[in-house]
Amino acid sequence: SQTIHQWPATLVQPVGSPLSLECTVEGTSNPNLYWYRQAAGRGLQLLFYSVGIGQISSEVPQNLSASRPQDRQFILSSKKLLLSDSGFYLCAWSLIYGYTFGSGTRLTVV
Amino acid sequence: GENVEQHPSTLSVQEGDSAVIKCTYSDSASNYFPWYKQELGKGPQLIIDIRSNVGEKKDQRIAVTLNKTAKHFSLHITETQPEDSAVYFCAASTGNYGQNFVFGPGTRLSVLP
Repeated sequence: SQTIHQWPATLVQPVGSPLSLECTVEGTSNPNLYWYRQAAGRGLQLLFYSVGIGQISSEVPQNLSASRPQDRQFILSSKKLLLSDSGFYLCAWSLIYGYTFGSGTRLTVV
Repeated sequence: GENVEQHPSTLSVQEGDSAVIKCTYSDSASNYFPWYKQELGKGPQLIIDIRSNVGEKKDQRIAVTLNKTAKHFSLHITETQPEDSAVYFCAASTGNYGQNFVFGPGTRLSVLP
C-alpha cells in the first residue's frame, strides 16, 4: 500500500534562518507531488507541484522553493524565513484521481 | 480557470441531526469531485468522491450528490456524531495536475452533544 511521510511534525525557526521540509512517498512510482500551505483557520493554498524528477511548477511567487531530487522525494526550502512563512505545510501525492495528504508540518517563524 | 465556492463556512448541528455542505464550481469540464475531512492538526483525508457520470454516491452515513447542469455538488452527513466535527473541503478537477485540482475554502462543522 502507498504511504506518505512528512517531517518534522512541528518546527520553530527564527526569522532569517533556512528551512528544509521533506516528504517521501512509498509504494508507488512516478506520482504527482504537491506542497500546500494552510494559514490558521484558512483554506489550502497550492505552492508547488511536480510531475516528475526535476520538474517543478510554482503557483504563487514567494520566499520558498521546491525540489524533487528523486522520484518519490519532494523538498520544500527557503534560504531566509519570513514571519509570513508561518503556517501548516502539507505534502500530497496523486496518480490518477484524488490526493493523499501527509500529516503536515506546523512551522512557526519567530 | 476553475473557481470553487463552498457554503456555509461554519456549521453547527446537534448530535443526531443531518449536516449539508454545498459547493459550486465554474468549469463545466470538471469531472471529478472529492470531499476531504481535516481534523485538528492533521492532514486532510479523502472521505468520499464522485465522478461526473454519476449523480449520487453513498457510503454509510455520508453521501454526495452532483448536479452537472447547475454545477453544484453537496455533502450530506446523516446521524451526525461528535467525531464528525472537523473542517470539510470540497474540490473540483478536470485532471490531476496542480492548478486543475481546485479546493473550496472549507466548512468548519461542529457537532454539539
